[in-house]
This record gives sequence, C-alpha cells and structure tokens, in this order.
Amino acid sequence: DGGITQSPKYLFRKEGQNVTLSCEQNLNHDAMYWYRQDPGQGLRLIYYSQIVNDFQKGDIAEGYSVSREKKESFPLTVTSAQKNPTAFYLCASRGPTGRPSGANVLTFGAGSRLTVL
Amino acid sequence: KQEVTQIPAALSVPEGENLVLNCSFTDSAIYNLQWFRQDPGKGLTSLLLIQSSQREQTSGRLNASLDKSSGRSTLYIAASQPGDSATYLCAVSLVGNTDKLIFGTGTRLQVFP
Repeated sequence: DGGITQSPKYLFRKEGQNVTLSCEQNLNHDAMYWYRQDPGQGLRLIYYSQIVNDFQKGDIAEGYSVSREKKESFPLTVTSAQKNPTAFYLCASRGPTGRPSGANVLTFGAGSRLTVL
Repeated sequence: KQEVTQIPAALSVPEGENLVLNCSFTDSAIYNLQWFRQDPGKGLTSLLLIQSSQREQTSGRLNASLDKSSGRSTLYIAASQPGDSATYLCAVSLVGNTDKLIFGTGTRLQVFP
C-alpha cells in the first residue's frame, strides 16, 4: 500500500543536540511538507518542497533545516537553535487523487513526537 | 492575515445524534477548504475537500458546506457513532500560494454509546 512513513515515532533529545526526523513516501508525490503541532494550536508549516532539490521556508522555519535529494525522502533536522522543540511533527505529501475533481489532497504520516529532556 | 477558527473546541454527544462542526475564516480569498480527522497521537486523514467554486461535498455520512462570502464552512455528521470520536480540523489554502494550508485548532468530538 502506498503511504508516508515517519520515523522514529518517539524521540528524546538532550538540550544542545541536533536530531533528524525521517519522512519517506512511495506515492510518487512531488510536493512534501513538514508541520509542527502543539497542544491547543493548529498545525504550523515549517518547510515545504515542491520538487527535488528545492524547498521553501514556512511560517516557523527558524531552528530547522531540511533537504530534498530524492523525490521519496524529505528529512527534517531539528537543530540546537530551536528553543522549544518539544512537539508533535507531521510530514505530508500532496499529489492528485483519483477523484473526479482532480483536486490535490494532502496525505499525512503518523507523526513523530519529540521530547527535549 | 488569514485566521481559521473552529467552534466548539470540544463536543460530547450520545450515539445516533446528528451534529454540526463549524469552521470560520477571516479572508474569503481561499483556493479550497479541507476537513481532516485526527485520532489521538496519529496523523491526519483527509475527509472532504471543497474547491472555492463549490458549495458542498458529501462522503457517506459526512457533508461539508462552504459559504465563501461569509467565511464559513460546516461539517455535518449524520447518525454519529462511537467510531466518529476524534479531533476534526479544517484548513484553508490560499489563492496564490496553494502550498500553504492555514489550520484551525480543531474540534474534539466524543460520541458515547
């Protein structure tokens, strides 16, 4: 079955450490996204990539970095510069569905929960 | 700046009730609006997508309507079931930047037997 795989599901980090969250998709989607979700807040866009070797900052890119060397993969690095990294991180991709409207719909992974100790 | 609000924040209903979840947005220049479902500790599942030119979309017991001029969307759930218990989020994409979704904070729904 096609989908998005995020790993690890749970991650603990000490202050000052960089960590990388993995996101892999086998949907052949061009566009991929990283969101952050905090309790009581909506999802906020960190970075997105519309095509391989290209990506753009979202609303809260400071303290994060990404790469898009392959169509299937869009890893997110949470650097030590991110002051409040404890959150639930969601990766998504966008591509056409089989629906008559032809509308592009976001498909999400199961998420990665990062806790800073 | 586009803001998306969802009311109520939480809702608890007995099984079998029909219910309405509300989503409002401040800027009517949207490209489309999506409704998602999120189970605890999980990712989001897309339920319905309404293009800005459409008035409603239906999928099974779900019906989503869009009134762009008033900045409102509703998600109607018919004959609710305990399996419908989840958080429901709406999100709008913007004209000129369809990659950027603006999410509401969600409505947490509990349907009890």
